[in-house]
Amino acid sequence: DSGVTQTPKHLITATGQRVTLRCSPRSGDLSVYWYQQSLDQGLQFLIQYYNGEERAKGNILERFSAQQFPDLHSELNLSSLELGDSALYFCASSVGVSGMETQYFGPGTRLLVL
Amino acid sequence: GIQVEQSPPDLILQEGANSTLRCNFSDSVNNLQWFHQNPWGQLINLFYIPSGTKQNGRLSATTVATERYSLLYISSSQTTDSGVYFCAVGNYGNNRLAFGKGNQVVVIP
Repeated sequence: DSGVTQTPKHLITATGQRVTLRCSPRSGDLSVYWYQQSLDQGLQFLIQYYNGEERAKGNILERFSAQQFPDLHSELNLSSLELGDSALYFCASSVGVSGMETQYFGPGTRLLVL
Repeated sequence: GIQVEQSPPDLILQEGANSTLRCNFSDSVNNLQWFHQNPWGQLINLFYIPSGTKQNGRLSATTVATERYSLLYISSSQTTDSGVYFCAVGNYGNNRLAFGKGNQVVVIP
């Protein structure tokens, strides 16, 4: 158990819908990262927050947005869903922002868009 | 961004055999992690190893940062070692991890 929690574990929805994925970092970690794992793109970094502020952005679509709340949990919002958004979405956390710390991954949310 | 290449892409092992997985990366790194993704999709941290050598049970890893590669050794493999092994790297100040495509390992009894 990494200490990072993600809900829900599985999500099935239809094209055009909007969903919210939730992540709670390990106790004491201030950085939260979101990654997407799909069959064609592999594991890709989406976005990072540190202590409530956006810190880095990767290949995140404009239809996707995220935020980190004062209690440090984070939510990833996916809207106008397309079939190609079906993937495993991971949240990870680390202590700081130096890039020299271990990132611990949650169990993931498996999203299926029908 | 940093490119990460893992080899071999697929490996079939007899239980009890040893193996070496390789990760090459295209730039200097300050973060290198090895993960095991089990059949249920969970990413398990194996090592944080931007340089040097570490051992944990039957697994060990070595990173030669100056030559831009890392090796993961699996000794006396067990069926529970099956899954995909990922190498992921990052630079100082660039917190994102760039992942390789993984090494798919199947251990047969």
